[in-house]
Amino acid sequence: EIVLTQSPDFQSVTPKEKVTITCRASQSIGSSLHWYQQKPDQSPKLLIKYASQSFSGVPSRFSGSGSGTDFTLTINSLEAEDAATYYCHQSSSLLGTFGQGTKLEIK
Amino acid sequence: QVQLVQSGAEVKKPGASVKVSCKASGYTFTSYGISWVRQAPGQGLEWMGWISAYNGNTNYAQKLQGRVTMTTDTSTSTAYMELRSLRSDDTAVYYCARTSWSAVAEFDYWGQGTLVTVSS
Repeated sequence: EIVLTQSPDFQSVTPKEKVTITCRASQSIGSSLHWYQQKPDQSPKLLIKYASQSFSGVPSRFSGSGSGTDFTLTINSLEAEDAATYYCHQSSSLLGTFGQGTKLEIK
Repeated sequence: QVQLVQSGAEVKKPGASVKVSCKASGYTFTSYGISWVRQAPGQGLEWMGWISAYNGNTNYAQKLQGRVTMTTDTSTSTAYMELRSLRSDDTAVYYCARTSWSAVAEFDYWGQGTLVTVSS
């Protein structure tokens, strides 16, 4: 099973700040890495697919990069509405896995 | 617009089975697959498995092998997830999500979630 490890687990940030969340895979997964946002009591929403492709309707302040084992989700100029938990997910193997999540708190 | 509408909350006793449905609309059902993801209270997301609505192929998470079955009814564009021999640690919100017909890929649309509570 491919293990995804996100860092940090929790981050408290101020509006307009730039945020970087990383996701490291236990083995190379090419670019088969996707990012989701989940707000409390809501279903997750797709932000970025295949490491760097923005999903339709996602604000341009969200971007992704990386390949192989190391990936990054960047949020430029954070807004209050970005308070959520962010998950990475790999689809390289037939058995999908998620990272443990990164909770963003807005100060 | 793409919609996935799941069945309502369930309360089950340990050892029982539960079957959750996920009715799709707004797209050609057989051109995609459905994955199931669960989330225990206060915990992260756990991938459970995938079924192709095109050909019925499935892949299940190793820890659930033997207890979970995923099926589709193409006549009603509905996917089902049945989990047997329920335990207290199966208490979670269960989500269906649309994905590729050929393999697990990104999950672009999600259902609203179904809370399954396992309690004696």
